[in-house]
Amino acid sequence: AQKITQTQPGMFVQEKEAVTLDCTYDTSDQSYGLFWYKQPSSGEMIFLIYQGSYDEQNATEGRYSLNFQKARKSANLVISASQLGDSAMYFCAMREVNYGGATNKLIFGTGTLLAVQP
Amino acid sequence: SAVISQKPSRDICQRGTSLTIQCQVDSQVTMMFWYRQQPGQSLTLIATANQGSEATYESGFVIDKFPISRPNLTFSTLTVSNMSPEDSSIYLCSVERDRLYTEAFFGQGTRLTVV
Repeated sequence: AQKITQTQPGMFVQEKEAVTLDCTYDTSDQSYGLFWYKQPSSGEMIFLIYQGSYDEQNATEGRYSLNFQKARKSANLVISASQLGDSAMYFCAMREVNYGGATNKLIFGTGTLLAVQP
Repeated sequence: SAVISQKPSRDICQRGTSLTIQCQVDSQVTMMFWYRQQPGQSLTLIATANQGSEATYESGFVIDKFPISRPNLTFSTLTVSNMSPEDSSIYLCSVERDRLYTEAFFGQGTRLTVV
């Protein structure tokens, strides 16, 4: 069965510094996708970054990058130059790609609450 | 990215009543998903809504409690029926537009409190 593990319930980082949020996953499938989302206190889920299992390069989106280590089954999110507005809950999620069916649901981790300090 | 409008953004409801949540997308999408996030918890999929067919429910969720409609490729509703305080959660709709499933966008969420 698929599983996403986020071992850091909470993290602190100083403004302008980089921070790494950990995510490990478990799947027996060869084709899958990994996602990171930001959830501020307002409750909306903001899509940050995506990594496909066959992508050879690590995904990057602005200040967000995904450190994808397939053999270790880890997909850590790196936020560079942290800003106060980055304070939020961050969720890692995975989907097994099933092109023909209706089972492409996302499996979410338990989240990491990030607090950026001035 | 897809623009997803979810209504209402929040509501406080009496136990025993029902609430219908709407999800409107700015373009046609094949798959729409409804998730629940209980207080302090992660997201759990309720059901997958495909246009023209019955919704597919996950284990632990039933149609009588969470009926879903998907009348076209840009709209879906989720009803939370006969509510109890345990239904107090954030409910979120999500859409897929890319056939390769590399995008998954969410609406703003509906924060429901049942009293």
